[in-house]
Amino acid sequence: AQSVTQPDIHITVSEGASLELRCNYSYGATPYLFWYVQSPGQGLQLLLKYFSGDTLVQGIKGFEAEFKRSQSSFNLRKPSVHWSDAAEYFCAVAERSGGSYIPTFGRGTSLIVHP
Amino acid sequence: GAGVSQTPSNKVTEKGKYVELRCDPISGHTALYWYRQSLGQGPEFLIYFQGTGAADDSGLPNDRFFAVRPEGSVSTLKIQRTERGDSAVYLCASSSTGGFTEAFFGQGTRLTVV
Repeated sequence: AQSVTQPDIHITVSEGASLELRCNYSYGATPYLFWYVQSPGQGLQLLLKYFSGDTLVQGIKGFEAEFKRSQSSFNLRKPSVHWSDAAEYFCAVAERSGGSYIPTFGRGTSLIVHP
Repeated sequence: GAGVSQTPSNKVTEKGKYVELRCDPISGHTALYWYRQSLGQGPEFLIYFQGTGAADDSGLPNDRFFAVRPEGSVSTLKIQRTERGDSAVYLCASSSTGGFTEAFFGQGTRLTVV
């Protein structure tokens, strides 16, 4: 069964600093990979996704993520963090099961941004 | 509609009562998912619909939980004999068929069992 590990529960960065959020997955083939962001009281918003092709994917709000098959990782990065990026970030993996894709989520990483 | 709509946004109920949570997916999306998110956790899969049928209900925790989607659009998650441990945010998502792309989420229903 697929699983997703986000090893960092909280990450604190200063505004303007770079950011990397870690995500590792357990799956036999190349899964579909996603990063979602959840602001307080809001639903989950898709930041970016990887299905195939170029292993470096660009998303919204200046985020990018790199798929590394050898490390089973899909880490999220941003070169310069803004105060508005403070939120909960979830990595997700979807595998094909009986013709369906059902995303499995990690426990999330809470991003705190200091001024 | 423009996005996934969930009602009510908040629901407080007494232990032992029955509740229904509604999800209205994006128009034309035939795939619909229910998740449960407890405090400090990621969304936990409950059930997946393809059209009117439940294609995968392996995430439902017990037989107190049931979901329907009779006409292939709106879905209702039903919880019988609610327990305090059922308190969580219940999220609904939908996606298009003809090739999975991503799941679009609603804002959730916060259920509190007192």
